[in-house]
Amino acid sequence: DAGVTQSPTHLIKTRGQQVTLRCSPKSGHDTVSWYQQALGQGPQFIFQYYEEEERQRGNFPDRFSGHQFPNYSSELNVNALLLGDSALYLCASSSQQAGGLKQYFGPGTRLTVT
Amino acid sequence: AQKITQTQPGMFVQEKEAVTLDCTYDTSDQSYGLFWYKQPSSGEMIFLIYQGSYDEQNATEGRYSLNFQKARKSANLVISASQLGDSAMYFCAMRHSGAGSYQLTFGKGTKLSVIP
Repeated sequence: DAGVTQSPTHLIKTRGQQVTLRCSPKSGHDTVSWYQQALGQGPQFIFQYYEEEERQRGNFPDRFSGHQFPNYSSELNVNALLLGDSALYLCASSSQQAGGLKQYFGPGTRLTVT
Repeated sequence: AQKITQTQPGMFVQEKEAVTLDCTYDTSDQSYGLFWYKQPSSGEMIFLIYQGSYDEQNATEGRYSLNFQKARKSANLVISASQLGDSAMYFCAMRHSGAGSYQLTFGKGTKLSVIP
């Protein structure tokens, strides 16, 4: 049973560029959440997708956008990258049918903006 | 606004001993959930244990137990019989269980080091 997978593992981008991160949820899960974890901090909620729509959003600018596909996989897009966007980006999946409480996290994508 | 406070940046414990990691929370909600996650150096967040605000008994999952003191707004994690593989960052998190709220709010974490 495959867990949550994310790609790529590492990424280096330049300020002003755009980046797309990808996430495949755990088998049987239909909800995907994205978190940003800066060095030495706890993860911060970016947004959650369910039924291909953004269901809730944290305190992040519009430069952060996402998408969920019919197969429940998801993408996180960040435009006009800033140095402060350097972080570990974590994807978490859950199942609405199971109550949605338990979120399973992927290994993350480490983004470095230079 | 919800807030999670973990006051111990780092903790050391001898192998096979028990250790308590502190977590206090701030919320005005009556219904909420508290979680503990383990994050090894690989980066993946591993779910350890969950406690609902209306659960009367403290949650337990194997060597992990959650010492829930609602009046004091604390949700400490107790790890019994520590193992070398327990060395990692530990995060306390809270979720408001009301309709329309799905995000987890995390603390800053505690780095646990298990000494052989």
